Amino acid sequence: GAGVSQSPSNKVTEKGKDVELRCDPISGHTALYWYRQSLGQGLEFLIYFQGNSAPDKSGLPSDRFSAERTGGSVSTLTIQRTQQEDSAVYLCASSTRTANSGNTIYFGEGSWLTVV
Amino acid sequence: AQKITQTQPGMFVQEKEAVTLDCTYDTSDQSYGLFWYKQPSSGEMIFLIYQGSYDEQNATEGRYSLNFQKARKSANLVISASQLGDSAMYFCAMRGYSSASKIIFGSGTRLSIRP
Repeated sequence: GAGVSQSPSNKVTEKGKDVELRCDPISGHTALYWYRQSLGQGLEFLIYFQGNSAPDKSGLPSDRFSAERTGGSVSTLTIQRTQQEDSAVYLCASSTRTANSGNTIYFGEGSWLTVV
Repeated sequence: AQKITQTQPGMFVQEKEAVTLDCTYDTSDQSYGLFWYKQPSSGEMIFLIYQGSYDEQNATEGRYSLNFQKARKSANLVISASQLGDSAMYFCAMRGYSSASKIIFGSGTRLSIRP
């Protein structure tokens, strides 16, 4: 597709279950980002992939969170043993390496996660 | 380390007036880019404007302009002739162009336009 695609768009899960969120970036974009946005709040950086470099995982809030990016394209964010405080919108974005004026970052529509 | 600060959690402005949304930043990178995004109640993130650290002129995009003051490390967004549809959250963001610099966002400003 032309834009960043995320799935599922909505997910309701029980506390303690594992969830996987998927992001399919724009073709040719080497950089991929995951952010978390709680209701009415700003964007919290989670993890950043750039080409074949080691990912920047400095924003992952706990070891229950992990992400991988296969083949430099699709990424999966996994949350193990979900907690109610994990409820948020998880936004994925992609860009070319430089993300300058002609190549800014493009966001998906987000995956709304609700932990009950 | 990089940091973005937006000190205005909320603002109310009369329709057709101009409004300035504040953004200050801190980075050790010599080369960096600054972005503004709009997030309406629908939740989508809409790119508004970009300013490169070495750009000599302030960026403009239609009714949006970026008041870039490099020495003060500020990148304020100016919206001229505000419209009701401008009501939204606005986020300032920055990316440093070192070898592996992520894009970070400020906490946002909620702008409400009064008719």
